[in-house]
Amino acid sequence: AQSVTQPDIHITVSEGASLELRCNYSYGATPYLFWYVQSPGQGLQLLLKYFSGDTLVQGIKGFEAEFKRSQSSFNLRKPSVHWSDAAEYFCAVGVESGGSYIPTFGRGTSLIVHP
Amino acid sequence: GAVVSQHPSRVICKSGTSVKIECRSLDFQATTMFWYRQFPKQSLMLMATSNEGSKATYEQGVEKDKFLINHASLTLSTLTVTSAHPEDSSFYICSASRAKTDTQYFGPGTRLTVL
Repeated sequence: AQSVTQPDIHITVSEGASLELRCNYSYGATPYLFWYVQSPGQGLQLLLKYFSGDTLVQGIKGFEAEFKRSQSSFNLRKPSVHWSDAAEYFCAVGVESGGSYIPTFGRGTSLIVHP
Repeated sequence: GAVVSQHPSRVICKSGTSVKIECRSLDFQATTMFWYRQFPKQSLMLMATSNEGSKATYEQGVEKDKFLINHASLTLSTLTVTSAHPEDSSFYICSASRAKTDTQYFGPGTRLTVL
């Protein structure tokens, strides 16, 4: 069965600093990988996704993620964090089921941004 | 594009009553809709997948008689929590996809509190 590990429950960075959120997955086939962001009391917004092709994926809000098959990782990065980036971030691996890609989510990483 | 709405955003009800939550795709036709449940500080857990005009497929451990899902049109799915109890209090999030292989777009969620 597939699984997603986000080893960091909380990450604290200063505004303007760089950010990397870790994500490791376990899946027997080619993974479809996603990063979502959730603001308090809100639904999830898709930041970026990897299906195939270039392993460095650009997303919205200045985020990018790199798929590394050898490390089973899909870490999310941003060169300069803004206070508005404070939120919960979820990594997910999409598994094909009945023709749909059902995401299995990691437990999330809470990003705290200090001024 | 790809906007999903949920109504209501918050609902408080008495134990034993039933609550209906609506999920609408506003600017696209959703072949497939998904319902998730999220406990505080935890990840999303898939409850069920519904295809327009078909019966929903429930995940293991989800009571289909308690969580009634209807997907009567390509833009609307409803989740009815029947005979709600305090343990059903949670954040319920729906998502929708235009095609089975499309990315899921998430609604803003519904906070259910059962007294």
